[in-house]
Amino acid sequence: AQSVSQHNHHVILSEAASLELGCNYSYGGTVNLFWYVQYPGQHLQLLLKYFSGDPLVKGIKGFEAEFIKSKFSFNLRKPSVQWSDTAEYFCAAVPNNNDMRFGAGTRLTVKP
Amino acid sequence: DAGITQSPRHKVTETGTPVTLRCHQTENHRYMYWYRQDPGHGLRLIHYSYGVKDTDKGEVSDGYSVSRSKTEDFLLTLESATSSQTSVYFCAISSGPVGEQYFGPGTRLTVT
Repeated sequence: AQSVSQHNHHVILSEAASLELGCNYSYGGTVNLFWYVQYPGQHLQLLLKYFSGDPLVKGIKGFEAEFIKSKFSFNLRKPSVQWSDTAEYFCAAVPNNNDMRFGAGTRLTVKP
Repeated sequence: DAGITQSPRHKVTETGTPVTLRCHQTENHRYMYWYRQDPGHGLRLIHYSYGVKDTDKGEVSDGYSVSRSKTEDFLLTLESATSSQTSVYFCAISSGPVGEQYFGPGTRLTVT
C-alpha cells in the first residue's frame, strides 16, 4: 500500500549531537511534504514544508529537510539538538491532491 | 498559533453511548479535518470538510459521522461509542486542499 514510512521509532541522543530522522514515501507524481513536531501533551506544529523548488528546506528552530526525489525521501536534520527538542516528529505527505498521510512518528529523547 | 479550539478536551464515556466532539476555528479556513492519533499509527484521517455542508470520508471513517453547518464549526459524532474508538482526536484546518494544516489542542476520549 502507498504510505509514508518513518523507520526510526525512538531515537535517543545527547545534547549537541546531530540529528537525522528518516522519512520515505511511496507515492508517485506530485507530492507535497511536511514535518510536524508534537511536544509532550501538545498539538502538532509545523516545522517545515516542501512543495517545489530548492530541495533543501529550512524550517523553524534550526531544523532542515532535504527532498531527494530519486530516493523518495524527505529526511529531517538538525546539526545540534537541545533538550527542548525532545518530542515526537511526524513526516506527512499530500500526494496528487489527495488526503494528507502521516508516518507513524519518531519519538526523540534528548538527554541533558 | 492558529485559532482552533476543541471541546471537550477530555471525555470518558461508556460503550454504546453517543459522543459529539466540537472543533471551532476563527481563521475562516475552508478546509477542516478530523484525525485520530494512536500509538504506532501516527494520525489517520477520519473525515474532512471542504466547505459548509460539504464533507467526505477519510481513511478510517467507519463508526463516525460529521457535520458542518457553518464555516467555523466542524462536529465529529460517534453514534455508538466502542472501546476501539478510545483515542486522541485532533481537528485541523487549512486554507487549501494541499497546503499545510494547523492543528487544534486535541480531545482525549476514553470509552469504557
